[in-house]
This record gives sequence, structure tokens and C-alpha cells, in this order.
Amino acid sequence: DAKTTQPNSMESNEEEPVHLPCNHSTISGTDYIHWYRQLPSQGPEYVIHGLTSNVNNRMASLAIAEDRKSSTLILHRATLRDAAVYYCILRDNNAGNMLTFGGGTRLMVKP
Amino acid sequence: DAGITQSPRHKVTETGTPVTLRCHQTENHRYMYWYRQDPGHGLRLIHYSYGVKDTDKGEVSDGYSVSRSKTEDFLLTLESATSSQTSVYFCAIRETGDEQFFGPGTRLTVL
Repeated sequence: DAKTTQPNSMESNEEEPVHLPCNHSTISGTDYIHWYRQLPSQGPEYVIHGLTSNVNNRMASLAIAEDRKSSTLILHRATLRDAAVYYCILRDNNAGNMLTFGGGTRLMVKP
Repeated sequence: DAGITQSPRHKVTETGTPVTLRCHQTENHRYMYWYRQDPGHGLRLIHYSYGVKDTDKGEVSDGYSVSRSKTEDFLLTLESATSSQTSVYFCAIRETGDEQFFGPGTRLTVL
């Protein structure tokens, strides 16, 4: 199974950009890169996903390396509400598109 | 917000007793998933369903069974609960797109 590696934790200041890295050196050509986040005491929440090109949505941007062995989730202006555990996941295109969660990165946002 | 509810939200039971958790959706989505989350860990897939009466095993299916007799309900059963099944259980749904929507979770304690 393809796996991802993320830092255990990161800190950011409120209203500053945050770059959350993810390494996935064993990614296959058909694996999509998904990001979910989990706020305290809640279920995970979809953030963004991509295959090869960089992606933007209202929540974040996803920058994917040209060789696809790493990616970065970018929060353009962190708020206190963005404090959460962020999971970088390679989606299995078979088996019902199941998601395999790793340990994630705990993002702390300081006022 | 996706219409997903889980019941009960909290349950304490004793070792050896049967337990059934319910996931109910109002979105008519095809796919439904059961995950468990243990302290300090990401979610792990237990079982999933790709239609009424169509289910398959996930990563940690031992000791669990599921049933889906209606589109809107996906039941997770622990035939004989053990202390190792103390966890937070999340249900998720998905239509044909990429995004999974997660429920609020059920906290199960097996004494």
C-alpha cells in the first residue's frame, strides 16, 4: 500500500500562510492525493484533492511536485479555526475508493 | 452539511455483549463506510458498502460484521464486544465523486 509521511506537528501564527508538507515516494500513477482535516471532537472533513496539477478551492491550495513524490497543502491565511489534524492520504482507486489514514500533522495556530 | 447521523453517540458496554451501531444518511449516497479511530491514530477502515446488500471488508474487519438492507442505513455489529474494540467509530458516505462525508462519531467503551 502506498504510504505518506507527514510531520507530527506544526505551529503557525494567525493570519499567516501555512505550508503542510507530505511525502509519498511510493505513489503510483493512478493514486489521487487527498487532504482531510479533523477538528477536535469531530469527524474528518474533506479539504482538497488532486492528481498531477496544482489545485485551488475556497479552503486551500494543493501544490504537487512534478515527480508526484511529495505535495504541500497551503492555507493562505491561518485562522484559529484551522487548528486541526491534517491528513494527507493516497486514495486507493480500487476497493471502493477507501481512504487509508496515517498519523497526520497536528497544526497549532497561535493568536 | 451532509445528512449523516450516528446512533448512539456514546455507549458503555461490558465484554462479551453484542453491540450494534447505526449510521443513517438522508443523501441517498451509494457508498457507506465504517472507520474506527484510536487515540493518537488516524482512522482505519472496518467495512464498507457499495450498495444495498453489497459490502466488503476493510483493513481491520475481524470481530465486526455489517449489514445494509436499505440505502440509508448501514449497521455495524460487534457480536461479542472486547476491550480492544473500545474506540471512536465514524461512519462516512460518498456518491460517485471523490469526497467522503463523515458523521459525528460514536464513542464506544467496552469494560
